[in-house]
Amino acid sequence: QQQVKQSPQSLIVQKGGISIINCAYENTAFDYFPWYQQFPGKGPALLIAIRPDVSEKKEGRFTISFNKSAKQFSLHIMDSQPGDSATYFCAATRASGGSNYKLTFGKGTLLTVNP
Amino acid sequence: DAGITQSPRHKVTETGTPVTLRCHQTENHRYMYWYRQDPGHGLRLIHYSYGVKDTDKGEVSDGYSVSRSKTEDFLLTLESATSSQTSVYFCAISEGGPRREKLFFGSGTQLSVL
Repeated sequence: QQQVKQSPQSLIVQKGGISIINCAYENTAFDYFPWYQQFPGKGPALLIAIRPDVSEKKEGRFTISFNKSAKQFSLHIMDSQPGDSATYFCAATRASGGSNYKLTFGKGTLLTVNP
Repeated sequence: DAGITQSPRHKVTETGTPVTLRCHQTENHRYMYWYRQDPGHGLRLIHYSYGVKDTDKGEVSDGYSVSRSKTEDFLLTLESATSSQTSVYFCAISEGGPRREKLFFGSGTQLSVL
């Protein structure tokens, strides 16, 4: 059972365009939704995260939009740059209630930003 | 990579041989995790530890065991490696407390089982 579904698998965007990656989750107990960015040969690194008490969080060119009723969240990269080319993973976990904070990851999206 | 060292970085082994991967942290973080990354599967949790000698299974734990005798070291052992365990293995750590959800990942170990 895949608890976090991510789409698309791959995405090609022109420099300056908007990149959008979507994720959907099933477990209504999830209350923390991070996005990780991974460059080739490196481990994933936390990019931005959101909790369900807000519908949007913005950090620079990166924005998470969250729809609790639809159980969906998405990453928007504005003014995409070639340096943003990487694999992006969404994830989810139940961060409250004394859980052991196990992240469930989506399958990843390979983003290519053409110059 | 947040004071995380994985060793070895690359390993080629034969089917049926035992393999141990090591994760060493200098952050004194309570939580440590082992993930595997495979094309089309993303990152999947193998085992995790929430303290010295406290470990638990993740979603793909069959064929793997772990040990944590010191806060700084988390070992992943493949008792008898199989070709299906060819993968990139990532160790991650988490501080716990107010920043418990934030995971820091190591640079990974590329394991090939022939």
